[in-house]
Amino acid sequence: GENVEQHPSTLSVQEGDSAVIKCTYSDSASNYFPWYKQELGKRPQLIIDIRSNVGEKKDQRIAVTLNKTAKHFSLHITETQPEDSAVYFCAASSWGKFQFGAGTQVVVTP
Amino acid sequence: KAGVTQTPRYLIKTRGQQVTLSCSPISGHRSVSWYQQTPGQGLQFLFEYFSETQRNKGNFPGRFSGRQFSNSRSEMNVSTLELGDSALYLCASSTTSGGAAGDTQYFGPGTRLTVL
Repeated sequence: GENVEQHPSTLSVQEGDSAVIKCTYSDSASNYFPWYKQELGKRPQLIIDIRSNVGEKKDQRIAVTLNKTAKHFSLHITETQPEDSAVYFCAASSWGKFQFGAGTQVVVTP
Repeated sequence: KAGVTQTPRYLIKTRGQQVTLSCSPISGHRSVSWYQQTPGQGLQFLFEYFSETQRNKGNFPGRFSGRQFSNSRSEMNVSTLELGDSALYLCASSTTSGGAAGDTQYFGPGTRLTVL
């Protein structure tokens, strides 16, 4: 069936370094790709999203790239800060049906 | 605008019982999706309702059902509870039907269900 694979499962970075999380999807009908940040005990919060007709999108220190041919998309966080520590989820939606990646635990050490 | 709200926040049930969870979307949002979040399985899509109709469904057994009312509020029901149903149940709302227009989903705080 359709699924979304997310790597790595954990990521430890030094403050100021960059973090990259990669996801692949299998459903070629997927047309919307959001990324969520979930801090411990809190609800997932959208941090950036990209639609299938766009290859790249940037919002300050966060960027997402999409390669539809290869069916993969990535989250890039530059100049990481301790408050970036959280679990990050990617998702792929095919007309309202969402598949989530398993999540990446990001730890930013000062 | 008020955010997505869910009630109750915590629930303890025993095996075999049934449970109903409620979700009130952001005002003006017509789509409500439900998710099950567990440490081992991550976020699993249950179903999506839009204008009182189930538009999408995940791969969960028929014990999991839902409905949406004319005011867009949604309820989720789980019958014959099993230990494995213990999880955080999240709902999310958006203006249109999920990813049809790539609309942002806003999550509620979740209902923590524990089945003993």
